[in-house]
Amino acid sequence: LAKTTQPISMDSYEGQEVNITCSHNNIATNDYITWYQQFPSQGPRFIIQGYKTKVTNEVASLFIPADRKSSTLSLPRVSLSDTAVYYCLVGGLNNNNDMRFGAGTRLTVKP
Amino acid sequence: NAGVTQTPKFQVLKTGQSMTLQCAQDMNHEYMSWYRQDPGMGLRLIHYSVGAGITDQGEVPNGYNVSRSTTEDFPLRLLSAAPSQTSVYFCASSPSGVAKNIQYFGAGTRLSVL
Repeated sequence: LAKTTQPISMDSYEGQEVNITCSHNNIATNDYITWYQQFPSQGPRFIIQGYKTKVTNEVASLFIPADRKSSTLSLPRVSLSDTAVYYCLVGGLNNNNDMRFGAGTRLTVKP
Repeated sequence: NAGVTQTPKFQVLKTGQSMTLQCAQDMNHEYMSWYRQDPGMGLRLIHYSVGAGITDQGEVPNGYNVSRSTTEDFPLRLLSAAPSQTSVYFCASSPSGVAKNIQYFGAGTRLSVL
């Protein structure tokens, strides 16, 4: 199982761009990188998924270098409501559940 | 759309009691999973299912049983509750294929074992 490492916490201010980097040195060839967001007292919510290069949706961008040993979640112009825990997971499309949630990154957005 | 529905939302048990946490999804997803989340921690996988009639163990399966008789339902049974099982339990589902890793989570069940 691919292990991920993220910063435990980050602080930012409203309107800033936030970049959260995740390290996954033993990522397998068929693994995808998936990010989730979790607010207190709620279940995690899918943000974005990618395999290589760059993926962008209405919420975030995901940057993946060529060696795929890390990935960076970019949140443009954060607001107070982006305060949450962000999880990076890697897993394949095999017939199992090989994704594991680590402790995540607790992002605090300040006014 | 209901998505993933978990019942009950809250439950208090005494040590040694048994109970079933219910999970239902209406998205026709093949994959379903149960996680537990302890305070300040990430989610840990208890059991998962890749389709009706098929279940497998995750990271922390001891003390829990599951079954998947239909695509929609994936109940989690606590056999003999212990204080160490006090936690928030989340059920999730996802489709097969490229979207397999995009899981939809329920609102959670908060369980206290006294």
